[in-house]
Amino acid sequence: AQTVTQSQPEMSVQEAETVTLSCTYDTSESDYYLFWYKQPPSRQMILVIRQEAYKQQNATENRFSVNFQKAAKSFSLKISDSQLGDAAMYFCAYIYSGNTPLVFGKGTRLSVIA
Amino acid sequence: DAEITQSPRHKITETGRQVTLACHQTWNHNNMFWYRQDLGHGLRLIHYSYGVQDTNKGEVSDGYSVSRSNTEDLPLTLESAASSQTSVYFCASSPGGARELFFGEGSRLTVL
Repeated sequence: AQTVTQSQPEMSVQEAETVTLSCTYDTSESDYYLFWYKQPPSRQMILVIRQEAYKQQNATENRFSVNFQKAAKSFSLKISDSQLGDAAMYFCAYIYSGNTPLVFGKGTRLSVIA
Repeated sequence: DAEITQSPRHKITETGRQVTLACHQTWNHNNMFWYRQDLGHGLRLIHYSYGVQDTNKGEVSDGYSVSRSNTEDLPLTLESAASSQTSVYFCASSPGGARELFFGEGSRLTVL
């Protein structure tokens, strides 16, 4: 079974600084997708970024970018110029290209210090 | 705008009672999912459905059931609520394949 591991339960970053959240996954598949979701205190789950495994180029969305290392099965999220509104729980997730459910990591709680 | 709604948003019930959490989506998505979120466990899959009359068990399905009689709704039923089922429940939907999930706002259930 596929598993997703987020080894950092909590992290903190100074406002305007850069922080990287780690995620590793285990799969025997070659074609899959990876996601980062953000969950602010409102509890709403918000998609941050999406990466297709067949693409070598790392996905970016404004201040959010990923470092996708397929061979190492690593998918880290970098947040640049951190803002107070970035404080949230962040979940890494994996889905096989077939019709299978999304598998989540346990999450990393990010605090942003003013 | 299309959306996914859950009700109730908050519920307190007693051990042994039957509870149903509703989930309704207007995207016409085939795939619907129920997850529970607990501190230290992230989101764990309870049940899911890939279309009308299709239901499947997830990793934590014991004590829960779902039914899919139409595309829009996937209600989650706790037949006999237990204190271990105190949690935040999320419903989600997707158009299928490896597309991202669209989440409801969550339902906080407390079982006393």
